[in-house]
Formats: sequence, C-alpha cells, structure tokens
Amino acid sequence: DIQMTQSPSAMSASVGDRVTITCRASQGISNHLDWFQHKPGKVPKRLIYAASSLQSGVPSRFSGSGSGTEFTLTISSLQPEDFAAYYCLQHSTYPLTFGGGTKVEIK
Amino acid sequence: EVQLVESGGGLVQPGGSLRLSCAVSGFTFSDHYMDWVRQAPGKGLEWVGRSRNRPDGGTTEYAASVKGRFTISRDEAENSLYLLMDSLKMEDTAVYYCARGSYISGWHYVGADWGRGTLVTVSS
Repeated sequence: DIQMTQSPSAMSASVGDRVTITCRASQGISNHLDWFQHKPGKVPKRLIYAASSLQSGVPSRFSGSGSGTEFTLTISSLQPEDFAAYYCLQHSTYPLTFGGGTKVEIK
Repeated sequence: EVQLVESGGGLVQPGGSLRLSCAVSGFTFSDHYMDWVRQAPGKGLEWVGRSRNRPDGGTTEYAASVKGRFTISRDEAENSLYLLMDSLKMEDTAVYYCARGSYISGWHYVGADWGRGTLVTVSS
C-alpha cells in the first residue's frame, strides 16, 4: 500500500498568514493526489484535484503543487473560515490512502 | 440538486453485522463511481472502498482493514449504494460517508459530493 505522510499534523496560524501543508507519498503517484478540507460537523470538501487543479467554487487563495512523491497545499492568505482539518488523498493505486491530516488552528 | 443520504448506522456488538445505505438523487447513479469513507472519533479520514460504475463492470475495491469483512453493492433501480459490514470490530466505530465520484480528463476522482454520514458504534 502507498503510505501518505502529511506534515505538520497540527499548526497554529493567524488570519492573513501564508500556510503550507506537505504530503509525501511512499512511492511515485504522478499527479494523482487531491486535497480535502474537513470542518467539525460538516462534510469533507474537495479543494484541489490532480495535484494542482482548483475545484470549481473554491477560492483562489488555495493552490496545490507537486508531482511524483512530494505535494504541497498552500493557502496564500488564511481566512477565518479556513480553520479546519486538511487531508491529502492518493488515488494512483488501490487501496486509496489519505494522509494523516493537518489541523489548522487559530493562533 | 445532487443529494446523498446515508442511513442504517447504530450500535452493534463486536462480531455483529450492519448494512448501511446511501440513497442518491440528482445525478445518473449508473454513470458514477461511488466511495465509502469513514472517520473514527478523533481520527482522520479513511477510505473504505469503491464501487465502479456500470460501464466499468460495477466491480469493487476495498481497504486492507475491511477487505473480506465489508461488501459494497449497488442497486441502480433503487438509486442506492450499500455497505454490508460483517465481523465488526470496535475499531470500525466511525462516521461513515458515501461520496459521489467525478470523472475528469480520463480519471475517476473521489468526493465530488458527500452525504452527511451515519454513525456506527461497535461496542458491547
């Protein structure tokens, strides 16, 4: 199985900060990686697909990059509604695997 | 409007069985891959399994943690996806979500739309 290692597992940030979350795959997955946001009591929401394509309706402050084994989700200017957990998901090979998650909290 | 509504969760003893349902509407069910994803209390998201669409044979894939115990099926006449869970363990306690896949540029992606989830508690 492909292991997805996400870092950091948690972070504190302020409104307006630039936030970067990293996901590393245990083997190459090309660009078959998505990013999800999950808030408590809400359903997960896909932000980025195919490593760098912005899901329709998602604000442009979210961006994704990477290929192969190293991927990054960037929030250019953190907004109050962005405090949530973020997960990467590889869908290159079965079984699909999520990263362990990054909880972004208010500093 | 796309809607996915899970049901069937509840309390079950270890070793027991439970069947979850996901009723869908607002899209052509037979065209889409469907996934089950779960979240245990205080833990992250975990992919459980997938049902391919009819053109791709309607076959299934599973996470290692549930393979041989869980079975995904679909009834296109009822526009419903199912998750039959056997030999349940305490570690299967979680909120279970069904998610509609999306087909973009030749690839099937997880989670274009999600249900609100149903809670399964495995406890004696």
